[in-house]
Amino acid sequence: ETGVTQTPRHLVMGMTNKKSLKCEQHLGHNAMYWYKQSAKKPLELMFVYNFKEQTENNSVPSRFSPECPNSSHLFLHLHTLQPEDSALYLCASRPGTPNSPLHFGNGTRLTVT
Amino acid sequence: RKEVEQDPGPFNVPEGATVAFNCTYSNSASQSFFWYRQDCRKEPKLLMSVYSSGNEDGRFTAQLNRASQYISLLIRDSKLSDSATYLCAVTPEGYGNKLVFGAGTILRVKS
Repeated sequence: ETGVTQTPRHLVMGMTNKKSLKCEQHLGHNAMYWYKQSAKKPLELMFVYNFKEQTENNSVPSRFSPECPNSSHLFLHLHTLQPEDSALYLCASRPGTPNSPLHFGNGTRLTVT
Repeated sequence: RKEVEQDPGPFNVPEGATVAFNCTYSNSASQSFFWYRQDCRKEPKLLMSVYSSGNEDGRFTAQLNRASQYISLLIRDSKLSDSATYLCAVTPEGYGNKLVFGAGTILRVKS
């Protein structure tokens, strides 16, 4: 039990589909993150939300649309994705205190066909 | 220059060996440093934070060298179960929200 729950665990979608990834944290943290991890590549930071406000957008294409309705929930809405978007998408949360580490969810393994 | 760099390895070591990894960072303003462990097809899990004075947790010792801008992880008495990818993570902008990861160092411990 990581305290950060992601659904679905696996997702296969066509390039014309629209889907959403969901993340929920039960740790009382203030900040939530989306990272992308492609095969043989480092974790890439996509978005950061702090107290529901987006504080980082790491030049992510508009086909990825984040939503943070409250400090416990984070979504990543996907539309017209490309096969190169296939990756492990990891959600993480972090307390607001300095020097605090990230806590990751199990990830959603996305395959775009 | 990348914000965070690691030797990808793999480091192949026998059980019981001592092994050390380094991770260099480019921004001298960085304040928060961490080591994570990631098993194949799993999420990264926090191994330990890295404090300025260095810190130890059982067989694991982490050090910070601000002058040369790197952190290190030392694993003593390696176990088969230590086989994993070790990721370093750094906040490149002081204590900001952004946390950047290195590409990871692969460790394989063999019997």
